[in-house]
Amino acid sequence: NAGVTQTPKFRVLKTGQSMTLLCAQDMNHEYMYWYRQDPGMGLRLIHYSVGEGTTAKGEVPDGYNVSRLKKQNFLLGLESAAPSQTSVYFCASSYRAGDTDTQYFGPGTRLTVL
Amino acid sequence: DQQVKQNSPSLSVQEGRISILNCDYTNSMFDYFLWYKKYPAEGPTFLISISSIKDKNEDGRFTVFLNKSAKHLSLHIVPSQPGDSAVYFCAASLYNFNKFYFGSGTKLNVKP
Repeated sequence: NAGVTQTPKFRVLKTGQSMTLLCAQDMNHEYMYWYRQDPGMGLRLIHYSVGEGTTAKGEVPDGYNVSRLKKQNFLLGLESAAPSQTSVYFCASSYRAGDTDTQYFGPGTRLTVL
Repeated sequence: DQQVKQNSPSLSVQEGRISILNCDYTNSMFDYFLWYKKYPAEGPTFLISISSIKDKNEDGRFTVFLNKSAKHLSLHIVPSQPGDSAVYFCAASLYNFNKFYFGSGTKLNVKP
């Protein structure tokens, strides 16, 4: 049982390049999330999904796209990377929303855009 | 504008003493609150939560207090241990809602 895994762990991109971050969970969770963490800002929600085939925007969705083709995977895409997207990206999943639930996080992906 | 704020970026405490981490929120509709702990190079891990129908929740050395009128919650760690040294995030959400709003974190250092 690996929990939530993220690929890759580190990446350096040049401005304008594209890439996809992969998140996988083996807990059969319905909900999955992508956050970015920046100094002094805490974790901010980029996009989330409440089930296979669904996606929704979070607080800071601009410049990112997501897909949830399979229940266990949640992909985050950067079509044309910008230096402002330099950040640490965390994926999380949860079984359901509600007062007895919590989110389980992956180890993060550190992305630098030059 | 951040809806959840942690105004102390860092806190240093002696081992064995109490650590008190504070969090304020602006949205009075929030009714579920959580604390996460994060070590370097790892993702946040869930620590403790509280719903708005309670004002206190305890789990071993960790207690969370909620003051709805002041829109304030705090995490107490007693006694503090060096292994508690980490960044602590508070988060808030609406009941049965899918989004969590996080504070900016407080870095706790427990000195031996």
